[in-house]
Amino acid sequence: EAQVTQNPRYLITVTGKKLTVTCSQNMNHEYMSWYRQDPGLGLRQIYYSMNVEVTDKGDVPEGYKVSRKEKRNFPLILESPSPNQTSLYFCASSLSQGNQPQHFGDGTRLSIL
Amino acid sequence: AQRVTQPEKLLSVFKGAPVELKCNYSYSGSPELFWYVQYSRQRLQLLLRHISRESIKGFTADLNKGETSFHLKKPFAQEEDSAMYYCALNTGFQKLVFGTGTRLLVSP
Repeated sequence: EAQVTQNPRYLITVTGKKLTVTCSQNMNHEYMSWYRQDPGLGLRQIYYSMNVEVTDKGDVPEGYKVSRKEKRNFPLILESPSPNQTSLYFCASSLSQGNQPQHFGDGTRLSIL
Repeated sequence: AQRVTQPEKLLSVFKGAPVELKCNYSYSGSPELFWYVQYSRQRLQLLLRHISRESIKGFTADLNKGETSFHLKKPFAQEEDSAMYYCALNTGFQKLVFGTGTRLLVSP
């Protein structure tokens, strides 16, 4: 089954404790992206990747890092999480050419205390 | 500036009533627009895109470049249509700009 898989689905942690949210897709998509969803703000892009070893900042990259060492994986890293990063995070992937729709994961709800 | 505006946070209708979820965009290039839907506790799913001009689950959306709009319409709402709806603009290289979303609530 074609899908985008995120782990963990839920995480409660404390300020400053490094964490990684994994994202994996099995559709051989070149493009992958991370969004955060906050009430009243919709989805905002954090980082995106056009292909392996090619990443770039989205609209709200501060406090986040990403890597794209393999085509299927695009982890989101919070080196020193803070409470304002409490949010619902979505990973998405798509083919890179043309007007292709993005496929979303189930989301990861992070709470930073 | 590239922007997508969904003016209504909540739209509440009765079953069988017509629905129109508004979306306006600001973009200097040739727009590529999508509607995504998020049912309760589920992932975002593509509902439709303007380039395919198709009807999904009875929903349609027409791109109006003159009014810079891409409103989502359905003639007769169903209870299972209750969900969060996001309009999104592809600004190039698959970068999506989302609106803030409209929650549609269809009551029996």
